[in-house]
Amino acid sequence: EIVLKQSPGTLSLSLGDTAALSCRASQSLNSDSLAWYQQRPGQAPRLLIFGASSRVAGISDRFSGSGSGADFTLTISSLQPEDFGVYYCQQYGGSPPYTFGPGTKLEIK
Amino acid sequence: QVQLVQSGAEVKKPGSSVKVSCQASGGNFRSDTISWLRQAPGQGLEWMGGIVPFFGTPDYAPKFHGRVTITADESTSTAYMQLSSLRFEDTAVYFCARVWTDYGDYYFDFWGQGTVVTVSS
Repeated sequence: EIVLKQSPGTLSLSLGDTAALSCRASQSLNSDSLAWYQQRPGQAPRLLIFGASSRVAGISDRFSGSGSGADFTLTISSLQPEDFGVYYCQQYGGSPPYTFGPGTKLEIK
Repeated sequence: QVQLVQSGAEVKKPGSSVKVSCQASGGNFRSDTISWLRQAPGQGLEWMGGIVPFFGTPDYAPKFHGRVTITADESTSTAYMQLSSLRFEDTAVYFCARVWTDYGDYYFDFWGQGTVVTVSS
């Protein structure tokens, strides 16, 4: 089973700042098979990025994904109030089970 | 636009079973993969398993194998997840999600609203 680690656990930033969220896999992922989700309190997760760097249609271009192999980053520029919540990475590069990281909570400073 | 609507909250006793439904619309239910995931209070997301209704043979995560049963009814475009031998630690929000599987991918692009299952004596 591929294990994902996310850092930091909590990120406290101000409106207008840039956030960098890290996701590291226990082994290299085939074809950069990594997705990012945003979850606001009381809501279901929302898919933001797939294939490590492809943005879902309708997602703001302030969200960008990068990385390859086992090391990935989600960058959110010019933070807006609606960006705060918990962000999860998910891998689908190996055999099941498809696993998630423990999440990074992005909060307003 | 795929929409997934789940059944309502459940309260169950330890040792019993729960069955949660997920009705889909807007997609191609027969060939779509529907997965079930859960999120314990204050915790992260766990993939439990998935099914392609046309084939009818589900995949399960090893952790849940033997306790979870995922089925699908094409006539009503509804997927079901049954979890048996419930324990206190099964208290969680259970989500269904449509899976994008082209080119061997497996990520979750549309989600149900979640169903709260509480296990309490």
